[in-house]
Amino acid sequence: QVQLVQSGAEVKKPGASVKVSCKASGYTFTSYDINWVRQATGQGLEWMGWMNPNSGNTGYAQKFQGRVTMTRNTSISTAYMELSSLRSEDTAVYYCASSPYSSSLDVWGQGTTVTVSS
Amino acid sequence: SYVLTQPPSVSVAPGQTARITCGGNNIGSKSVHWYQQKPGQAPVLVVYDDSDRPSGIPERFSGSNSGNTATLTISRVEAGDEADYYCQVWDSSSDHRVVFGGGTKLTVL
Repeated sequence: QVQLVQSGAEVKKPGASVKVSCKASGYTFTSYDINWVRQATGQGLEWMGWMNPNSGNTGYAQKFQGRVTMTRNTSISTAYMELSSLRSEDTAVYYCASSPYSSSLDVWGQGTTVTVSS
Repeated sequence: SYVLTQPPSVSVAPGQTARITCGGNNIGSKSVHWYQQKPGQAPVLVVYDDSDRPSGIPERFSGSNSGNTATLTISRVEAGDEADYYCQVWDSSSDHRVVFGGGTKLTVL
């Protein structure tokens, strides 16, 4: 079945970087953009950016420009989101999502908890 | 960037109809998608392209979109429908390609 499986929880110190992976299965990875969304505890969904797995083209929300990098490895159908210069406000659950069925975000990863604490 | 406005909370008794709104400038010209999120879980798509339902979503979930307001309607509400609901559109006019509403907490009384 179509699914996105993300890497496990991370604990990082302020100023460090984190790299979250998102492995796709059940569909052609390069055919649909991967979007990254985060959610702080008790807060709403916040879109971070997108990546075209075929071309590698990316687009980032202005808030994260300069701190986020989205990449992929097509040989293993995996997308990555790296966030640098972490601060406590980056503590959140990070989701990848794609659109193999419709024009919406119809498939989501299970989420990766990133905790930034000294 | 484009802004979507949702009420923070909606309450409804079991068996009644819940309506959750999503306001945006001329939102009727865009396709609106709705997600349900239960505590500790990833969002789940319940309505896409204003009014279509993904496979496996009950017919009790429906959507409409016109003018400046899109609406998610949940008929015959059940206890299991209690969750946060988010509307979403694509906005190609800015760097914020994906726009979410702030979310609405549906409470089943």
